[in-house]
Amino acid sequence: EVQLVESGGGLVQSGRSLRLSCTASGFTFGDYAMSWVRQAPGKGLEWLGFIRSKAYGGTTEYAASVKGRFTISRDDSKSIAYLQMNSLKTEDTAVYYCTRAGIAVPGATDCWGQGTLVTVSS
Amino acid sequence: QLVLTQSPSASASLGASVKLTCTLSSGHTNYAIAWHQQQPEKGPRYLMNLNSDGSHSKGDGIPDRFSGSSSGAERYLTISSLQSEDEADYYCQTWDTDVVFGGGTKLTVL
Repeated sequence: EVQLVESGGGLVQSGRSLRLSCTASGFTFGDYAMSWVRQAPGKGLEWLGFIRSKAYGGTTEYAASVKGRFTISRDDSKSIAYLQMNSLKTEDTAVYYCTRAGIAVPGATDCWGQGTLVTVSS
Repeated sequence: QLVLTQSPSASASLGASVKLTCTLSSGHTNYAIAWHQQQPEKGPRYLMNLNSDGSHSKGDGIPDRFSGSSSGAERYLTISSLQSEDEADYYCQTWDTDVVFGGGTKLTVL
């Protein structure tokens, strides 16, 4: 069974940093792009970025709203994707989801984690 | 600019069918999309990928009651034999160098 489990969320002060982890199981992690999506309270889904598989260069793309503050990385040996969030703002308060994206099409999401809540206080 | 447009809300009766619409912006009308369901207080769940020709591939365990179709810039999700657990938010998603979500449609089952 394909499974994604996020961890690392919590309460953090504005201006600080936080790193989220996404531990994958049930599939060959290294073959897939991985992405992060968030959902602010009462709002819709917002794509944050993805990281391609090594076979496709392992490169990243980010939404304009987080480019320069958020960084996605991966450790294929551990089947973990990371979201490093710096200079956090109160508007970054949201549930953060890890998703499995496509092999050749990194934008296509076909599996979601359960999410981890990040609360940024002022 | 790549944009997906969804109606904010829809409703249908228990046991009936409903067709939700996701509209692609001009210049992107041949794009594939994905549909996702988010039940209250839960995380999203992948439903299916839907191509411009109407062909679609569903996620594991998605009931046959869920189907997809396409016409021009429109991508549809049809849910037949509506059940109470189908009451949820439904999001469409598409991609090129960026990834875009529609604003979501809140489906109420009457």
